[in-house]
Amino acid sequence: DAKTTQPNSMESNEEEPVHLPCNHSTISGTDYIHWYRQLPSQGPEYVIHGLTSNVNNRMASLAIAEDRKSSTLILHRATLRDAAVYYCILRHNTNAGKSTFGDGTTLTVKP
Amino acid sequence: NAGVTQTPKFRVLKTGQSMTLLCAQDMNHEYMYWYRQDPGMGLRLIHYSVGEGTTAKGEVPDGYNVSRLKKQNFLLGLESAAPSQTSVYFCASSHEPGQAAHTQYFGPGTRLTVL
Repeated sequence: DAKTTQPNSMESNEEEPVHLPCNHSTISGTDYIHWYRQLPSQGPEYVIHGLTSNVNNRMASLAIAEDRKSSTLILHRATLRDAAVYYCILRHNTNAGKSTFGDGTTLTVKP
Repeated sequence: NAGVTQTPKFRVLKTGQSMTLLCAQDMNHEYMYWYRQDPGMGLRLIHYSVGEGTTAKGEVPDGYNVSRLKKQNFLLGLESAAPSQTSVYFCASSHEPGQAAHTQYFGPGTRLTVL
């Protein structure tokens, strides 16, 4: 099954951009790249997803490498409320059981 | 819409006791999932269901059973609880593949302690 690799932790200053990387070198053609985040003592929440093209929404932007073997979640202006664990996962288009959550990246935002 | 709800929020069991965790969703999703999350770690898939009356094993199914008798509910059972099952349990639901790229919606979690 395709796995993702993320740094264990990252730090950012408030109101600065944050780039969270994810490697997924064994991604298949039918895998969507999803990002979720988990605030303390809460369930994960959806942030953004993409297949091949870069994506933007109100929460973040997702930059996907041309070969799809890596992606970067971009928070344009980090706030204290963005401090969370960010998970990059691959959602298989035909097999629900193949999605795997790694250990994610713990983002610390400093005021 | 309430989204995904889980009952109970907290539970303490003694080794060998049994219990059932209930997950309910009001989004008419076909797919439902049960995950466990141990301290400092990511989520691991226990069982999942792709529709009413169907279930399948995930990454860590041993010691758990599930049932999906109604589309909106997904039950997780522990027949004989063990301390190794102390964890936070999350339920999630999603549309089937091809719709909204299979985005998952998670419940708030159930914190289970087995003594």
